[in-house]
Amino acid sequence: AQSVTQPDIHITVSEGASLELRCNYSYGATPYLFWYVQSPGQGLQLLLKYFSGDTLVQGIKGFEAEFKRSQSSFNLRKPSVHWSDAAEYFCAVGRAYNTDKLIFGTGTRLQVFP
Amino acid sequence: GAVVSQHPSRVICKSGTSVKIECRSLDFQATTMFWYRQFPKQSLMLMATSNEGSKATYEQGVEKDKFLINHASLTLSTLTVTSAHPEDSSFYICSATEGSQPQHFGDGTRLSIL
Repeated sequence: AQSVTQPDIHITVSEGASLELRCNYSYGATPYLFWYVQSPGQGLQLLLKYFSGDTLVQGIKGFEAEFKRSQSSFNLRKPSVHWSDAAEYFCAVGRAYNTDKLIFGTGTRLQVFP
Repeated sequence: GAVVSQHPSRVICKSGTSVKIECRSLDFQATTMFWYRQFPKQSLMLMATSNEGSKATYEQGVEKDKFLINHASLTLSTLTVTSAHPEDSSFYICSATEGSQPQHFGDGTRLSIL
């Protein structure tokens, strides 16, 4: 069965610290992988996506993610967190060559302390 | 680019009434639109997929007579919650995609049924 697991429900970091949000997936085909961010009461904004090629992808707002096929992981990283990064982060997976039917993880809530 | 507008952002209505939510792609033609539902502190659950000019495809467990979806043009899809009840209260989010591009999300609609 297709699924996405985000093991960390809630993460707290200090401003300026590095960040890594974990994402593991179970998918029968070559996955399209996404990270979205959601601020309270708002929709989702795409941070980055991986389709193929270089396994380290760069996104907006200084985020990057690395696809590791052997570990079925697509972890999101940022070297230095800003207070404005506090939000809910969702990892998602879709079918190869088609972004229909995204399957989302349960999300990780990021809290940033000054 | 790739802006999706969702209206209204918030609606409060009495039990038994019907509520219509609009989802518009402002600067691209959305070949496919998606409707998601998000419960508090939970992930997004796909309700249905709609393609312009054809009937929506509903996910298992979603009542098609309860949640009417119309995708009349390449820039507009509507979700009508018919005879709404308190258990229908939720955050509804639409997304749109053109071809194989990633889904772009609206800001969501907070529906509260009294």
